[in-house]
Amino acid sequence: DAKTTQPPSMDCAEGRAANLPCNHSTISGNEYVYWYRQIHSQGPQYIIHGLKNNETNEMASLIITEDRKSSTLILPHATLRDTAVYYCIVRDSNSGYALNFGKGTSLLVTP
Amino acid sequence: GAVVSQHPSWVICKSGTSVKIECRSLDFQATTMFWYRQFPKQSLMLMATSNEGSKATYEQGVEKDKFLINHASLTLSTLTVTSAHPEDSSFYICSAPGTGKTGELFFGEGSRLTVL
Repeated sequence: DAKTTQPPSMDCAEGRAANLPCNHSTISGNEYVYWYRQIHSQGPQYIIHGLKNNETNEMASLIITEDRKSSTLILPHATLRDTAVYYCIVRDSNSGYALNFGKGTSLLVTP
Repeated sequence: GAVVSQHPSWVICKSGTSVKIECRSLDFQATTMFWYRQFPKQSLMLMATSNEGSKATYEQGVEKDKFLINHASLTLSTLTVTSAHPEDSSFYICSAPGTGKTGELFFGEGSRLTVL
């Protein structure tokens, strides 16, 4: 699986958009970008994933650059409950593979 | 979405005892489940892959005789920490792949083990 690089921490004011970047310059053509988050003392939660097109769901939007070497997860209106560690993971979509977690970005949403 | 449930959510045991953690897929079948371990302020580390009807495969550095994994049915995998010691205190999390084509993994709530 391709390696990802994320900033270790970010702050965001409540109600503002949180934009979390991820670099994955060695991504290969068949690898997807997945985003998970982990709220303290809970299991990881799936957020969104994409291959090359931008994606949006009820939780977030995923913007993938045209060369696919980086992406941004956007939480449009961050709330205090969005405080968590966000993991960007790149891997093949084969559902038999485990996810390899990096260190992620610790997002703190402040009042 | 699919639900993965773990039990117990937390357990405290004495050093030298064994502890069993259960991981269930509640509304789908999982021929494969993954067990992770997470120490404080660290990321999740894959320990082993649990395979229904066959032996688990362990990551390098994980002792198979200490962390016994049984995947006896399509909805249940168990992790037994044998002869637990304080250094085994950690947050153990299981996950299972969904049945769709997204490659999504569903995670349990985690089980926090404290060994005294």
